Amino acid sequence: QVQLQESGPGLVKPSQTLSLTCTVSGGSISSGDYYWSWIRQPPGKGLEWIGYIYYSGSTYYNPSLKSRVTISVDTSKNQFSLKLSSVTAADTAVYYCAQYDSSGYHYFDYWGQGTLVTVSS
Amino acid sequence: QSALTQPASVSGSPGQSITISCTGTSSDVGSYNLVSWYQQHPGKAPKLMIYEGSKRPSGVSNRFSGSKSGNTASLTISGLQAEDEADYYCCSYAGSSTSAVVFGGGTKLTVL
Repeated sequence: QVQLQESGPGLVKPSQTLSLTCTVSGGSISSGDYYWSWIRQPPGKGLEWIGYIYYSGSTYYNPSLKSRVTISVDTSKNQFSLKLSSVTAADTAVYYCAQYDSSGYHYFDYWGQGTLVTVSS
Repeated sequence: QSALTQPASVSGSPGQSITISCTGTSSDVGSYNLVSWYQQHPGKAPKLMIYEGSKRPSGVSNRFSGSKSGNTASLTISGLQAEDEADYYCCSYAGSSTSAVVFGGGTKLTVL
């Protein structure tokens, strides 16, 4: 069974860049059957899709965040990463990484536990 | 990109059935039969309950069912149980040339 685990700083200063990594175990990030995704949830609010990446490096981003987001993949480490630049308090959220089906059914079937990132000076 | 529209809250008594609606547009829900539904308990990651509009992953109770009509998808939970109390989110594929994925705002289900 696939497991995903987010890691990275829990506190980021305003205007700086938020960086998180997701480590995948129990499956290969290069399998080709999935996109590797980031989703966030501000405290007390709903889910927001940030973007996803295919093992080849192809990316899709939420248009509302596209100018600030970079998602990358490291197949040798079975990891993928998120960078969000110029953060503000509005970027405070629990950030989840998730596996997204790319075979035609389009759903998130495995999720990490989530990591809270607070933007504050 | 606009979020899909869900009611903020629904409630029901144990044993009853409830339905949560999820309204999108002809660019997402209406164009693709690719709506998924997620259950989220407090402090936990979301869990996939329905995919491709009406299919259940292995291990999900058959009390959960999904359907779609036009631009609106629905999740029905029959025989409500206390453990069904949670937040529910719909999600739709929106095409690779646009935003790709859009979530609903979420619905809080209270079991009375």
